[in-house]
Formats: sequence, C-alpha cells, structure tokens
Amino acid sequence: AQSVTQPDIHITVSEGASLELRCNYSYGATPYLFWYVQSPGQGLQLLLKYFSGDTLVQGIKGFEAEFKRSQSSFNLRKPSVHWSDAAEYFCAVGEANQAGTALIFGKGTTLSVSS
Amino acid sequence: DSGVTQTPKHLITATGQRVTLRCSPRSGDLSVYWYQQSLDQGLQFLIQYYNGEERAKGNILERFSAQQFPDLHSELNLSSLELGDSALYFCASSEGPHQETQYFGPGTRLLVL
Repeated sequence: AQSVTQPDIHITVSEGASLELRCNYSYGATPYLFWYVQSPGQGLQLLLKYFSGDTLVQGIKGFEAEFKRSQSSFNLRKPSVHWSDAAEYFCAVGEANQAGTALIFGKGTTLSVSS
Repeated sequence: DSGVTQTPKHLITATGQRVTLRCSPRSGDLSVYWYQQSLDQGLQFLIQYYNGEERAKGNILERFSAQQFPDLHSELNLSSLELGDSALYFCASSEGPHQETQYFGPGTRLLVL
C-alpha cells in the first residue's frame, strides 16, 4: 500500500534561515507528488507538484522540492524563511492511471518560525 | 482562494444526529473529493465523484454517504453521528477523474457533542 512519511512532527527555524522539510513515500510506480500548506483555521493550499520531467520543481512563495527516486524522497526547501511561513505542511502522493484517484497524505510537519 | 466553496463553515450537533455538508467545485472541475482531517487519523480520503458518478472510495464509514448533483455540487451526508466523527471535512476538486491537481476548499468543522 502507498504511504507517506514525514519524519519531523515539529520544526523550529529562525527567520531568514533555510528550511528543509522531509518527505518519504512508498509507491510502486512513478508517483505524483504534492506539497500542501495549511495555516491555522484554513484549508489546504497547493505549494507545488511533481508529475514528471525535471526533478527540481518550483512552487509558490519561494518554495522548491526535489524528487529523488533512488531515495523515495520529495523534500521541500526554502532558502530564507519568513515569519508568515509558520504553518503545517503536508506531503502527499497520488496514484496514477487509476479509474479514480486519491491523495495519500503524510501526518504533517508543523513549522514554527522564531525571530 | 482556491475557488472551491464549502458550507457551512462550522457545525455543532449531538450524537445520533444527521448532518449534510455541501461543496461547490471550481468552475470547470468535474471531480469532487471528500477528505476527513482528525487529530488521530490525520487527513484521510473518503470518496471521489466524477461528473455525477462515484469513482473511488476510501475509508468512508457506512454511516456516511455522498452524491454529486447535475450542477456538479456535492453533498456529504453523515448520519448516526458519534463523538469520534468530530473533525474537519474538506472538499477538493479537479478537472478530470485521474490524477490531477486537487484544489481544496476551506473545510467544514464538525463538532459532535
């Protein structure tokens, strides 16, 4: 069965410092991969996605992620964190070529930003 | 704003009751998905509809049902509610039935007392 693991439940980063959130997936074929962000009391906003092609994908708000097939990882990065980035981040994998589709989410990583 | 709307925003009800959550997808999207977010289970896929037809089913309880109407809006019906059904229920939409980007609504927070 597919699964997504986000090893870090909570991360604190100083404002202006770089950020890397880890995501590992388990999936037999080439996965579709996503990162979503959820601010308190809000819905899920898509940050970026990987379907195929260039393994380094750029997203909104200065985020990027790199797909590494050999490591089954899709880590999210940002070179300089802003206080407004404090939120919960979810990695998700989707099935391809299925009659229907569903996103399988990790448990999420809560990001706190210190001044 | 994703373009996906959900009503109501909040819902408080009692055990044993039945509620209906409503979702309107983004303009042009034919697929609607329902997810449940709870503290213990995280985000879980419940069910998908595409152009009025059920397409995929996840961890949806038998007490729960959904449908998608000709105007493409969808409703999730939760009956015989239990305390454990308290959660945030998200609707998402996408253009087609297969793996595509899903855009999420703001959610309905359900509290069962």
